[in-house]
Amino acid sequence: QSALTQPRSVSGSPGQSVTISCTGTSNDIGSYDYNYVSWYQQYPGKAPKVMIYDVSNRPSGVSNRFSGSKSGNTASLTISGLQAEDEADYYCCSYAGNYTQLFGGGTKLTV
Amino acid sequence: EVQLVESGGGEVRPGESLRLSCTASGFTFDAHGMTWVRQAPGKGLEWVSGVNWNGRTTGHSDSVKGRFTISRDNARNSLFLQMNSLRVDDTAIYYCARAITVTAVVGFDYWGQGTLVTVSS
Repeated sequence: QSALTQPRSVSGSPGQSVTISCTGTSNDIGSYDYNYVSWYQQYPGKAPKVMIYDVSNRPSGVSNRFSGSKSGNTASLTISGLQAEDEADYYCCSYAGNYTQLFGGGTKLTV
Repeated sequence: EVQLVESGGGEVRPGESLRLSCTASGFTFDAHGMTWVRQAPGKGLEWVSGVNWNGRTTGHSDSVKGRFTISRDNARNSLFLQMNSLRVDDTAIYYCARAITVTAVVGFDYWGQGTLVTVSS
């Protein structure tokens, strides 16, 4: 089991859009059998918060500025209309079969 | 209000054991899978173990397989992680989290505040 690959950092200006990629393999993100990719936002010293699940579903209460997608072995999180409060660490997570999950290494977003 | 409260963390020596607990409230516990995720100091999130709603299906990461065991007691609204043969690299904050569905394979929508496990000689 290897961690999913994310860029270590991304940045953008207020009002812009940024996309964070998450690359796995055909055994996890790219599997045809399931679409279980989720994304988490984490502020320093705080517990993570789910922003996207099942590749592109947004839990209630999460801003529609956050969207998710998947193509092949790569999932993406797009944040539009960047705000200062979006500055945080972001982690992708994918089901990897046999009741196991994999997280990405995390991406630090600077606004 | 959904609440998850972890307990049982502490400082132990390599090779020793610890049992973490997570007490849930504010929701129907046996309607959700549950999971443990850890975060070493200054590092990223690492999935550790997951269990489905009735406890009959479990999964563990390669790094803890054979040493850690996840279980649950639905009558007590509690999740557990038995950690044996602890190693220095098991040092982390351990979070319990609720899965969105009855399985533990989809997203995790509520998280506890974590309990710190330190393994040091």
